[in-house]
Order: sequence, then structure tokens, then C-alpha cells
Amino acid sequence: QKEVEQNSGPLSVPEGAIASLNCTYSDRGSQSFFWYRQYSGKSPELIMFIYSNGDKEDGRFTAQLNKASQYVSLLIRDSQPSDSATYLCAVNQGGGFKTIFGAGTRLFVKA
Amino acid sequence: DAMVIQNPRYQVTQFGKPVTLSCSQTLNHNVMYWYQQKSSQAPKLLFHYYDKDFNNEADTPDNFQSRRPNTSFCFLDIRSPGLGDAAMYLCATSTRTSGVKDEQFFGPGTRLTVL
Repeated sequence: QKEVEQNSGPLSVPEGAIASLNCTYSDRGSQSFFWYRQYSGKSPELIMFIYSNGDKEDGRFTAQLNKASQYVSLLIRDSQPSDSATYLCAVNQGGGFKTIFGAGTRLFVKA
Repeated sequence: DAMVIQNPRYQVTQFGKPVTLSCSQTLNHNVMYWYQQKSSQAPKLLFHYYDKDFNNEADTPDNFQSRRPNTSFCFLDIRSPGLGDAAMYLCATSTRTSGVKDEQFFGPGTRLTVL
């Protein structure tokens, strides 16, 4: 079983729609959860982090965490073509130094 | 601007010829990481430094070594690159004072090609 699982996609949404990206993790002791955006050929860029159950909003982005279900998601409202990228879910296990990354979901926003 | 810098951005080496990748940071972060990322795969942690303390992942091949001469710089040495080592190598930093936060800031990466 992979430690951090994401649908590889591609997830295709029209411009202006809400994109919903999902991630599950296996370690119940995980405490910190991150979403990174990675454009093709570039390095990951942190866009959101969440530590507590519930929702966290930052501009067009909302991260949702449900520790009981071991599930974290990212919503992108008013999707733009510039949001087209791979979104990596990352989970820090137990407060240590190891952060496990998922393989990412490719998002394509059609103009 | 505070940042993480990697050099070179592209590196071509021959099979078995040692190569060194470098990373520097102006963020004054105490933790530095090296990741290997192959196409369409998750970044894979190779090792990290917490200040001067070196931590190797159990599945990191012995072919990969690292040095951190000071807070700002960290190097990745690949002693005898094989074709399977062709990948993007990512350097990241974070600051660890207390708690569980581990927001990592990545450099632009070095794309390694092995001929």
C-alpha cells in the first residue's frame, strides 16, 4: 500500500469551474499536510498547508482535512488555465523530518 | 529575495563519471533536503541535514553522498552514476524550531542526464 495516494489524472475542468483534488494517506500518526503545485519541468511550489481537521481557505484555494478518514483534499475555485499543473499531496509523519509525497494529480484547465 | 539556488540547472555526465550537484540558500533554514524525482513520480527523499546532523534514508544507495560545509551550502555527490540515476534532483529547505511544521521550499532543481 502506497503511503500517500493520489489519482494520477489527468483531471480536466473548464475555465471558471471548481477543481477538486483528493489524497489519502496511510499513517494515522501524520500531523502536517501540504499541497504543492509543480509545473512541467519545474520544482514543486508550496501552495497550502493544513494541520487541523476542517477547512482552510487561502484565496481561490481551500484545503480540507479529515484525519479520521485519513483524507485531505484541495479545492481550486474559479479555475484558470494557469492552474494547469501537477498537484502533489505531501504528508509529514509524526512530526519527524520525513515528508512523504504522492505522485501527483495532473490538472488541465480548458480555456 | 531569499531563495534556494541549485547549480547547475542541467548536468550531463557519462556512465560511471562522478558528478557533484550544489545547493545554496539565503533563507537561513537549518534543515536541507535532497530529493530525487523521476518523470511522473513522487519526489523521493535521499537524505537531509538538520544543522550538521546528517540523516540518510535507509533505501538511499551508497552511490549517493552528501556534504554540508556550512548552513548555506549543501552538495550531492554521485560517485558512479548509472543510467538509472538520470532524474531531476531537488534541494529543499525548511526551518525546524518547534512543533510539526515542515513547510519545505524547493530550489529549481538540477536535471541530470547520464550517457
